[in-house]
Amino acid sequence: EADIYQTPRYLVIGTGKKITLECSQTMGHDKMYWYQQDPGMELHLIHYSYGVNSTEKGDLSSESTVSRIRTEHFPLTLESARPSHTSQYLCASRTDPREAFFGQGTRLTVV
Amino acid sequence: QKEVEQNSGPLSVPEGAIASLNCTYSDRGSQSFFWYRQYSGKSPELIMFIYSNGDKEDGRFTAQLNKASQYVSLLIRDSQPSDSATYLCAVKIGDMRFGAGTRLTVKP
Repeated sequence: EADIYQTPRYLVIGTGKKITLECSQTMGHDKMYWYQQDPGMELHLIHYSYGVNSTEKGDLSSESTVSRIRTEHFPLTLESARPSHTSQYLCASRTDPREAFFGQGTRLTVV
Repeated sequence: QKEVEQNSGPLSVPEGAIASLNCTYSDRGSQSFFWYRQYSGKSPELIMFIYSNGDKEDGRFTAQLNKASQYVSLLIRDSQPSDSATYLCAVKIGDMRFGAGTRLTVKP
């Protein structure tokens, strides 16, 4: 069973607010990822990290930022939420050569 | 060309039939291949992985890998309505890359 947790599961927030989506894993995985996924659509990689103090932007341009100060923790921050940020955000972790494990996701609605 | 491509779907099969899902990848050096299932509104979950050419069976699921032709497929035998979901192919090309997914509907 995957030990990767995301909080909150659901979030409704007003435009302009700063939000942080939390992701933690207890598997000691070095690689962690954030994906954005709209309903019925494909996964889009927005950020990833290969270890502490290592972060990179993914394929999808995003106005979010991430940090990786501890191996187990990979939070995603939106400095100023907009309605266009409304989506599901999925966190995942893995270590080579194994598969990725996903958290349960955060469904964000910006009103 | 995308690094991982899946048949676009949606795919609809009757209950009890075989569902066939296909995936091609661009990097001939890829070594690890994964199939995930994603129910609507849920996170992807791993159902199969395969590393070697040939077939790998797990219950009603069979993964098939052909590295020479750069494709990997997933067969679901005796399809059930509970198999209705989006199936994601993932390939380790440097890092793990996901296809866009194929939506499968199994009709009772």
